[in-house]
Amino acid sequence: NAGVMQNPRHLVRRRGQEARLRCSPMKGHSHVYWYRQLPEEGLKFMVYLQKENIIDESGMPKERFSAEFPKEGPSILRIQQVVRGDSAAYFCASSWDRGHTEAFFGQGTRLTVV
Amino acid sequence: AQTVTQSQPEMSVQEAETVTLSCTYDTSESDYYLFWYKQPPSRQMILVIRQEAYKQQNATENRFSVNFQKAAKSFSLKISDSQLGDAAMYFCAYRSADFNKFYFGSGTKLNVKP
Repeated sequence: NAGVMQNPRHLVRRRGQEARLRCSPMKGHSHVYWYRQLPEEGLKFMVYLQKENIIDESGMPKERFSAEFPKEGPSILRIQQVVRGDSAAYFCASSWDRGHTEAFFGQGTRLTVV
Repeated sequence: AQTVTQSQPEMSVQEAETVTLSCTYDTSESDYYLFWYKQPPSRQMILVIRQEAYKQQNATENRFSVNFQKAAKSFSLKISDSQLGDAAMYFCAYRSADFNKFYFGSGTKLNVKP
């Protein structure tokens, strides 16, 4: 059973471009969480999704950021018109249910905006 | 909102010695989980130890143990017989009982000297 897979591991985008980060949860997991880690900081919650539904997006910036978790395929975190301040490591975690079982983290995607 | 504070940005320990990392948190909830995660340079978030708030007994995993003081809202991590492979960033994290939304501290960088 493969762990949580995130790709790409590293992504470089020029200011104004779009960034798409993908997360494939562990097999059987239908709950996905996205976190952002700025340099020298801990991870900060962005959004919680269950298949086809956004459950909690209280940590998502109001503009340019969106997330989805379709019925088929990976979860996508999309950042439009990236700016230098979006440079960070983005982590995905998944769990089998809402909270009774453990969440497992992927290795993260490091986004660099140049 | 829940907050997690790690007041030691960096610590050093001699190989084979014992070190304690501090963590305090603030919450109005009575049921929750606390975690210590290790993040080596690879960026992978590795679960070190977990404590359920309703359990009075301190969690232990081999060389890792915690001192959980619920009334004081304190959750320190003790690493015994430190090894070179323990060198990493350590994050304290709080999670509500209902779902996998983590609140992370800012981290403590642990150096292990040979």
